[in-house]
Amino acid sequence: EPEVTQTPSHQVTQMGQEVILRCVPISNHLYFYWYRQILGQKVEFLVSFYNNEISEKSEIFDDQFSVERPDGSNFTLKIRSTKLEDSAMYFCASSERTGVNSPLHFGNGTRLTVT
Amino acid sequence: GENVEQHPSTLSVQEGDSAVIKCTYSDSASNYFPWYKQELGKRPQLIIDIRSNVGEKKDQRIAVTLNKTAKHFSLHITETQPEDSAVYFCAAKSPLSGANSKLTFGKGITLSVRP
Repeated sequence: EPEVTQTPSHQVTQMGQEVILRCVPISNHLYFYWYRQILGQKVEFLVSFYNNEISEKSEIFDDQFSVERPDGSNFTLKIRSTKLEDSAMYFCASSERTGVNSPLHFGNGTRLTVT
Repeated sequence: GENVEQHPSTLSVQEGDSAVIKCTYSDSASNYFPWYKQELGKRPQLIIDIRSNVGEKKDQRIAVTLNKTAKHFSLHITETQPEDSAVYFCAAKSPLSGANSKLTFGKGITLSVRP
């Protein structure tokens, strides 16, 4: 079964540094998402992306965050200047279509630790 | 926007017993309700979902029921096994949330199945 893949599995960075989290969505999927899960808390929506542009973003997704689909397979999340509170598990997800007939498939996540 | 509440935060059952996990949602326009199982350190995995035009759906030992009037939906697991131990997240999608399938998650419930 095809899967969403994410790299790296764990990223440690110092406060103020830039990080790029990488994702390869399922190949025939058209809709891409980033979610965040702070340890022990619920999964929170960050951003959705379709047709090379952001469709929707949450309050968490401020100017420090950006997403990009640099080629036909990768989908990246960049945090420009990391803060301690950015420490979390970041999940990429994709879906074939939008709407109720197309469930989200999550990757294994990247654990970001900001020191 | 949509708000999903999940109670209680933990549930412990004896192996072989049934477990019921309940969620409520706030947006009456929400039309899609998936349940995700997350094992420690792993990705959320879709285990069952239900659409608003259906009241109940069953897949082997798991079932989901939806009460649109009361705006709540429940996950039922019968004949629980130790491998059912995990965090279970409910989620809801409102068609008013934007073009993409943004999900709003509950806080999750930790299910422990005692051997």
